[in-house]
Amino acid sequence: TQLLEQSPQFLSIQEGENLTVYCNSSSVFSSLQWYRQEPGEGPVLLVTVVTGGEVKKLKRLTFQFGDARKDSSLHITAAQPGDTGLYLCAGEGRGSTLGRLYFGRGTQLTVWP
Amino acid sequence: EPEVTQTPSHQVTQMGQEVILRCVPISNHLYFYWYRQILGQKVEFLVSFYNNEISEKSEIFDDQFSVERPDGSNFTLKIRSTKLEDSAMYFCASSYGTGGEQYFGPGTRLTVT
Repeated sequence: TQLLEQSPQFLSIQEGENLTVYCNSSSVFSSLQWYRQEPGEGPVLLVTVVTGGEVKKLKRLTFQFGDARKDSSLHITAAQPGDTGLYLCAGEGRGSTLGRLYFGRGTQLTVWP
Repeated sequence: EPEVTQTPSHQVTQMGQEVILRCVPISNHLYFYWYRQILGQKVEFLVSFYNNEISEKSEIFDDQFSVERPDGSNFTLKIRSTKLEDSAMYFCASSYGTGGEQYFGPGTRLTVT
């Protein structure tokens, strides 16, 4: 089983602050996805990173895949209340488990106005 | 924008009964998945399906579970004899290929009493 550890589990900040969420594993993944999930709904795909060291930007969100493809980070600049939600990382397996996503437990972000 | 749809949104059933959860994946996608999320826990992979057969299944996906693509649009998950511990959100996902980019449906909340 390939485990993904996300930290912090909870994050509560004021509007305008910057934050970073981490996703770590001892396993190598073929790709890594970040999702956002609202209560009672399905995960919504934010980004997929595939290449070690890859950086992708989505407006105020910056995603990075570690050089060894074992870890990833999500950085939000100038957080807004609309960023509040559960952020999940999911690593895709390799070889016989290609296509299978292994999810972390998520980081619950709350941004206060 | 194309999306994955799932029905019903909520299913209540008695222990021992059979349930069928239905999904309509994104139309040009070739890979289909089922995941589940027990309340308060992480999203877990159940099964992947490609070219009308199971590609991979997890240890959760025992003989009580089966999947089918009965026509060109639907993808179903059947639980033959439900148990209390099957109570969870079940998510269908689809992708065009392997390598990330899995899109999730809104989920079916299954409650087994």
